[in-house]
Amino acid sequence: EDKVVQSPLSLVVHEGDTVTLNCSYEVTNFRSLLWYKQEKKAPTFLFMLTSSGIEKKSGRLSSILDKKELFSILNITATQTGDSAVYLCAVDSNTNAGKSTFGDGTTLTVKP
Amino acid sequence: ETGVTQTPRHLVMGMTNKKSLKCEQHLGHNAMYWYKQSAKKPLELMFVYSLEERVENNSVPSRFSPECPNSSHLFLHLHTLQPEDSALYLCASSLVYNSPLHFGNGTRLTVT
Repeated sequence: EDKVVQSPLSLVVHEGDTVTLNCSYEVTNFRSLLWYKQEKKAPTFLFMLTSSGIEKKSGRLSSILDKKELFSILNITATQTGDSAVYLCAVDSNTNAGKSTFGDGTTLTVKP
Repeated sequence: ETGVTQTPRHLVMGMTNKKSLKCEQHLGHNAMYWYKQSAKKPLELMFVYSLEERVENNSVPSRFSPECPNSSHLFLHLHTLQPEDSALYLCASSLVYNSPLHFGNGTRLTVT
């Protein structure tokens, strides 16, 4: 059974801090790892990672995948209150096409 | 506006009622999904449709019945639900299997 574990489950920081969110996984026939941000209702897509060691970057957010150690990190630099959200990690496999496995999420709270 | 529209936003129903959730996507995607999000649990995939063909999660009780009349519309028919079915039901679409998901805002369901 595919498994995704995120840590920490929750995190409180102040504006300007840098945070690192972790996602480890066990999946048969790995295809990709995805990060989503869920602020109120609809999760929104952030990154899709398929290759080890290649950083994906979007503004203050960046993410990287380590397929040997089976984990990914999501970094947020110079955090803002608008970064407060639940960050979800999911993995897709070639074996179970279309059936993403999600982690529990990390709840990030950024205080002014 | 996320490109994926769900109605209703909120639904309260008794255990003997029959109701339906509706999802419509305007993104030209070929796959559509129903997810259940309960408190303190990861997102659970319920059903997947690709080009109107259903891929079913075997652990979903028969009181949930999906319908996909075309690639833009997805329904979830509900009957004789239990209080533990109360949750946020999220619809999502993707261009193809294993591509990033685009979520709707969800229907908050309460079963009394």
